[in-house]
Amino acid sequence: DGGITQSPKYLFRKEGQNVTLSCEQNLNHDAMYWYRQDPGQGLRLIYYSQIVNDFQKGDIAEGYSVSREKKESFPLTVTSAQKNPTAFYLCASSSGRQRDGYTFGSGTRLTVV
Amino acid sequence: GDSVTQMEGPVTLSEEAFLTINCTYTATGYPSLFWYVQYPGEGLQLLLKATKADDKGSNKGFEATYRKETTSFHLEKGSVQVSDSAVYFCALSGGGSNYKLTFGKGTLLTVNP
Repeated sequence: DGGITQSPKYLFRKEGQNVTLSCEQNLNHDAMYWYRQDPGQGLRLIYYSQIVNDFQKGDIAEGYSVSREKKESFPLTVTSAQKNPTAFYLCASSSGRQRDGYTFGSGTRLTVV
Repeated sequence: GDSVTQMEGPVTLSEEAFLTINCTYTATGYPSLFWYVQYPGEGLQLLLKATKADDKGSNKGFEATYRKETTSFHLEKGSVQVSDSAVYFCALSGGGSNYKLTFGKGTLLTVNP
């Protein structure tokens, strides 16, 4: 079955370290997205990519970086410049067709220790 | 720009009660509308969708009707179960961009036995 896989499910980081969250999809979707979710909060868009080798900043891109070297993969790096990185991170993908919506991964919970 | 306003929670119901979660939207053109559900510690799952006016989306006993005249897409279920406890997100696609969903802030539903 096609789907979207995020790994790891739980991640611990020391302050001052960069960490990379993995997101892989086998849905042949063109577009991929990263969201951040804080307790009791909605979704905030970090970065998105509509096509390989291209990506755009979302609403809260500061302190994060991404790459899109392959259609299937859209890793997110949380850098030491991100002041409050502890959160739940969600990756999603879409075909780009209006009627299809998004498919989400199961999320990665990042904790700074 | 596009926006989604949904009923603020939390909503607490007893098992077998009737559920309504209100959702209204602002969009240009003819968006598609979605309800997503997020169980604790998980990603979002598509619950139902509607792609044109007067369409009714349904799944697992939940229903929502795309009302263009009132720009609404309210979620309803006739008899909730404890297992329906989750966060529910209303979203739209289209209008200004097919690549980005616009989400509401989410409504936490708790169903007590």
